[in-house]
Parts: sequence; C-alpha cells; structure tokens
Amino acid sequence: GDSVTQTEGQVALSEEDFLTIHCNYSASGYPALFWYVQYPGEGPQFLFRASRDKEKGSSRGFEATYNKEATSFHLQKASVQESDSAVYYCALSDTKSNYQLIWGSGTKLIIKP
Amino acid sequence: NAGVIQTPRHKVTGKGQEATLWCEPISGHSAVFWYRQTIVQGLEFLTYFRNQAPIDDSGMPKERFSAQMPNQSHSTLKIQSTQPQDSAVYLCASSTRDWGQDTQYFGPGTRLLVL
Repeated sequence: GDSVTQTEGQVALSEEDFLTIHCNYSASGYPALFWYVQYPGEGPQFLFRASRDKEKGSSRGFEATYNKEATSFHLQKASVQESDSAVYYCALSDTKSNYQLIWGSGTKLIIKP
Repeated sequence: NAGVIQTPRHKVTGKGQEATLWCEPISGHSAVFWYRQTIVQGLEFLTYFRNQAPIDDSGMPKERFSAQMPNQSHSTLKIQSTQPQDSAVYLCASSTRDWGQDTQYFGPGTRLLVL
C-alpha cells in the first residue's frame, strides 16, 4: 500500500536558520501531497498541498515542491521563528481510496530562542 | 466561519464504561472523517461518511467501536466497554467535496483517557 516516510523525528534549530524536513512517499499514480502542522493540544492544521509533478505549494513562508521522479515533497523555510515550533506531518491521499490520508510519522521542530 | 467542533475536549472513563464523542463538521462540508492519534501508532484512519452515508469503516476496531452521522451537522463515535488501549486523541475532519483528493480540515480532537 501507499506510505509516507519522514526521516527526521526531531529537528532543533536556532531562530533565522534554514529549515528542511524530508518527506518521501511510495504510491502509484499521482497522489495529492499535503503538509500539516500540529501545535500542542490542537488538531493538525492544513498548511498546503500539491497535486501535480513540479507543483509548488506554499503558506506562511513554508514551501515544498512535488517531485515525482524523486518521490519527494520536502518542507522548507528560509528563516524559522520560535513560533514555528510544532510537529509537522507529511501526508498523501491514498491512491486506492482517493480520500483516506496516509500520514508520515511526524517531525518535531524545536526552535531555540 | 467556525472550524470543525469536537466535544468534549477531554474525557476520562473507567475500564468497561461507554464513551461517546461528538463532531460538528464545517457547514457545507459533505465528507466527514474520524482518525485516532497515539504516540505509538501515530495518526490512523478510522471511518468516513459521505453525505451522511457510511462509506468506509475499515479502520474501526470491530465489536466495540461504532460511528454514526444522523444529520449533516454532526457525527458521533461511540466506544463501548472502553479499554486502556483505547486511550488516544480522536480527531474528526471534514472536507468540501464527496469525491477526490480534497483537503481535510481537522478539529481540535477529544483526548480520551481510560483508567
């Protein structure tokens, strides 16, 4: 079945550092790819999505580009702030059902003030 | 426009008791999803309603879990004879369309603790 891999369980950065969180997927066809962010005590918040090869999604300074060849959708931000501290999830829309979200394991981002 | 509403936010039950969790989807959204989140398993799909009809309950543990959507404004997840392993955050999400790879918007979740 489809799957999503996030290799970093935790990333620790200082303010204004450049952020990359890696997301690779395994799926047939062209699944929609998503990034969600979750703050303590809240549900996952939709950040952005991409549905086609080479499409870039972006929001709040975060961005990721759908790479079909590399099967990747890496999250990047040029300059992180303390308020970006949260858990980030990469997800895809299951190609069999077309609606069920398949989630990565999440990456906890810690920003040191 | 209010987001997805879930009540209660926290619930503590004793082993063997029943727990009912409520979800109010975003107005106008025709698809409703339930997920469960734990530290060990992460986020897991439970069930899906489209225009109030149950479409897929493949993620629901059989026998003790059930979900309903009696009208377009709310859905319930009921757990009978709760067990400690049911302790988790239960998340409800909704999306605008009843087909395709649409974006799902999540509520704050109900944190269930079974003692």
